[in-house]
Amino acid sequence: DSGVTQTPKHLITATGQRVTLRCSPRSGDLSVYWYQQSLDQGLQFLIQYYNGEERAKGNILERFSAQQFPDLHSELNLSSLELGDSALYFCASSVVGSQDYGYTFGSGTRLTVV
Amino acid sequence: GESVGLHLPTLSVQEGDNSIINCAYSNSASDYFIWYKQESGKGPQFIIDIRSNMDKRQGQRVTVLLNKTVKHLSLQIAATQPGDSAVYFCAEKESGGYNKLIFGAGTRLAVHP
Repeated sequence: DSGVTQTPKHLITATGQRVTLRCSPRSGDLSVYWYQQSLDQGLQFLIQYYNGEERAKGNILERFSAQQFPDLHSELNLSSLELGDSALYFCASSVVGSQDYGYTFGSGTRLTVV
Repeated sequence: GESVGLHLPTLSVQEGDNSIINCAYSNSASDYFIWYKQESGKGPQFIIDIRSNMDKRQGQRVTVLLNKTVKHLSLQIAATQPGDSAVYFCAEKESGGYNKLIFGAGTRLAVHP
């Protein structure tokens, strides 16, 4: 257990639908990052939050949005889903500002759009 | 723009041999580099990191080498074991900013008995 919790682990939904992925960061970590990993691909950075505020944005589609709540958990909302959105979605957390910049990853949510 | 890439998409080695996984990066402003290991169905797991003021760092059976002149990073695994079979990602962080890591495409390491 890495300390980063992602739910659900698996999600199957139809095209056009909307889903919400949830992430609870490791205790003490203020920063949350979302990544998308398609089959046999690398990790594509989507978005970063730090203590409730958006800090960096990557290749995130307009159909996707995220937020970080006061208790530091984060949600990634995916809407108007397309077949190509099928992927693993990872959340990671870190303590920004410390010497340790490494991320701790959750085990991911596997999204299948049918 | 930023990019982190890998020379070899797949590496096959014999159990007990040493493995070397390479990575090229293009952002000379990057000051921190990390190697992650991802086993099937799991999230990436931190292996070892190195800061730009170093050229070598050793861990348990792993060594990371950084050559800033040619913007090259490598991960050496000594006495490779079947449990080392996974996909390995390098990642870089640009100095300053809020700790955003850019990941390379990944190299699959297959260890054969």
